Amino acid sequence: DSGVTQTPKHLITATGQRVTLRCSPRSGDLSVYWYQQSLDQGLQFLIQYYNGEERAKGNILERFSAQQFPDLHSELNLSSLELGDSALYFCASSQGGQETQYFGPGTRLLVL
Amino acid sequence: LAKTTQPISMDSYEGQEVNITCSHNNIATNDYITWYQQFPSQGPRFIIQGYKTKVTNEVASLFIPADRKSSTLSLPRVSLSDTAVYYCLVVPPFSGGYNKLIFGAGTRLAVHP
Repeated sequence: DSGVTQTPKHLITATGQRVTLRCSPRSGDLSVYWYQQSLDQGLQFLIQYYNGEERAKGNILERFSAQQFPDLHSELNLSSLELGDSALYFCASSQGGQETQYFGPGTRLLVL
Repeated sequence: LAKTTQPISMDSYEGQEVNITCSHNNIATNDYITWYQQFPSQGPRFIIQGYKTKVTNEVASLFIPADRKSSTLSLPRVSLSDTAVYYCLVVPPFSGGYNKLIFGAGTRLAVHP
């Protein structure tokens, strides 16, 4: 158990819909990261937040957005969902920047 | 960020030592080398990190030659439970809370009985 929690574990929805994935970092960690893992793309970095502020952006689509709240939990919002958005979405946290990232169990999203 | 190259897959047998080599020719002076392990449908798990020479922990050893253009992850006496994907990453030092991990395809290790 990494100490990072993600909800929900599984999510099934339809194309065009919007979903919100939630992540609670380890106690004391200020940074939260979001990754997407699909069969054909591997593990892709999406975005990083540090103490409430966006710090790094990866291959995140404009239909996706994220935020980190004052209590440091984070939410990843996926809208206008497409079949290709079906993937595992992982959240990770670390104390600051360079330290080890601890990954959560992931949310498996299936878009039908 | 420096690109890494590692074998796509490896096979081994229980009880053997496994060495996975990663190439990172363009590593920057202050970059660290980090390895993660991922089991199917689980998030990656940190294994080991080093800057130069040798680092050892309870799980693995990491060997880094003087030129730092490659590194080798060594898993002693593997078991079936070590079957996983192993990722080699080059990580820049902490800078203003910025930390972006770039995962490659990794090495898929299969341990056989």
